[in-house]
Amino acid sequence: AQTVTQSQPEMSVQEAETVTLSCTYDTSESDYYLFWYKQPPSRQMILVIRQEAYKQQNATENRFSVNFQKAAKSFSLKISDSQLGDAAMYFCAPGAQKLVFGQGTRLTINP
Amino acid sequence: DVKVTQSSRYLVKRTGEKVFLECVQDMDHENMFWYRQDPGLGLRLIYFSYDVKMKEKGDIPEGYSVSREKKERFSLILESASTNQTSMYLCATMAYGYTFGSGTRLTVV
Repeated sequence: AQTVTQSQPEMSVQEAETVTLSCTYDTSESDYYLFWYKQPPSRQMILVIRQEAYKQQNATENRFSVNFQKAAKSFSLKISDSQLGDAAMYFCAPGAQKLVFGQGTRLTINP
Repeated sequence: DVKVTQSSRYLVKRTGEKVFLECVQDMDHENMFWYRQDPGLGLRLIYFSYDVKMKEKGDIPEGYSVSREKKERFSLILESASTNQTSMYLCATMAYGYTFGSGTRLTVV
């Protein structure tokens, strides 16, 4: 069975600084994707970034980037120049067709 | 953009009632999913469907069933609601990642 661990239930960062959210997972699938989703207080789940497991190059989306270590089964999310609008619950989710979600990390941005 | 619509944002039901949670997508996606979200547990998969009339159990199917009579609609059914089914329910469709509905917060009293 696939498992996902987000070891940081809560994180906080000063506005404009950089923060890294960690995620480790276990999967038996050989071909899969990895995602980070954010859930602000509005409750709408929003896709932040996607990584194909077969690609060695780490995905980047504006201020968001990942550090994907396939052998270590690690998939961390780095948020640069943090903004107040980044405050949300963040979920790591690997999978092929079905995604398995971590427990989430609540990110607070301090002005 | 793909739109996934969940019919109710908030719902309050009584113990023992039969509850229907509806989810409709406006694209031709085959894969649809129902999750429940609880604090500290993340999202857990209840049921999923890869095609019309097809359904598969997820990790926590007990107490739930689903219906997919048309490709665009995937319904979650609580046959006899119980208080431990009080939760946030999220529907999603899959194509290069999930697109989620806005969620239904169900309270069973």
